[in-house]
Amino acid sequence: EVQVLESGGGLVQPGGSLRLSCAVSGFTFSSYAMSWVRQAPGKGLEWVSFVSGSGSSTCYADSVKGRFTISRDNSKNMLYLQMNSLRAEDTAVYYCAKILPAAGTDYWGQGTLVTVSS
Amino acid sequence: QPVLTQSASASASLGSSVRLTCTLSSGDSSYIIAWHQQQPGKAPRYLMKVEGSGSYNKGSGVPDRFSGSRSGADRYLTISNLQSEDEADYYCETWDSYTRVFGTGTKVTVL
Repeated sequence: EVQVLESGGGLVQPGGSLRLSCAVSGFTFSSYAMSWVRQAPGKGLEWVSFVSGSGSSTCYADSVKGRFTISRDNSKNMLYLQMNSLRAEDTAVYYCAKILPAAGTDYWGQGTLVTVSS
Repeated sequence: QPVLTQSASASASLGSSVRLTCTLSSGDSSYIIAWHQQQPGKAPRYLMKVEGSGSYNKGSGVPDRFSGSRSGADRYLTISNLQSEDEADYYCETWDSYTRVFGTGTKVTVL
């Protein structure tokens, strides 16, 4: 059974940093690309970042480029999102998501809430 | 970057059918999309992918009343025999190389 479990969310002041983690199991982690997707309160889904299975390729939404860094540790089945220079508009539930090639996101975590406020 | 357009809302009576539409801004008729369901207060759930050919492949455990299809640049999600638990937000997703895009979502209300 595929399991995806995020952690690391919380309250942070504007300009602060936070690191999200995602623990996965139930599939060969290194074989699949992963992404982070967020959802601001009462809003729709917004893709944030992508990383290939090997970790060698990454991509970011313009809204977070230069502030967020995605990474993975395939030896530990872990995905990370380092978030720096946080803004109020980064407040959202952040989902860790597994990507199935040519099929879209096929598994989602339960999400972790990040609140940026003074 | 592709843009996916969805109607904001749709409603139908219990036991009836509803069809949701997702349209790619470029008009490309060959793209693949995924459909996701998000019930109130829950994480999204993968429903299916819809190919450019119109064929679809559902995720594990997705009820038979959910189906996919296409017409030109439009991709459809049809829910037949609508149940109360189908009241949710539905999002389409596509991708361009490493960039991923979600539609604005359609809120389905079961009357």
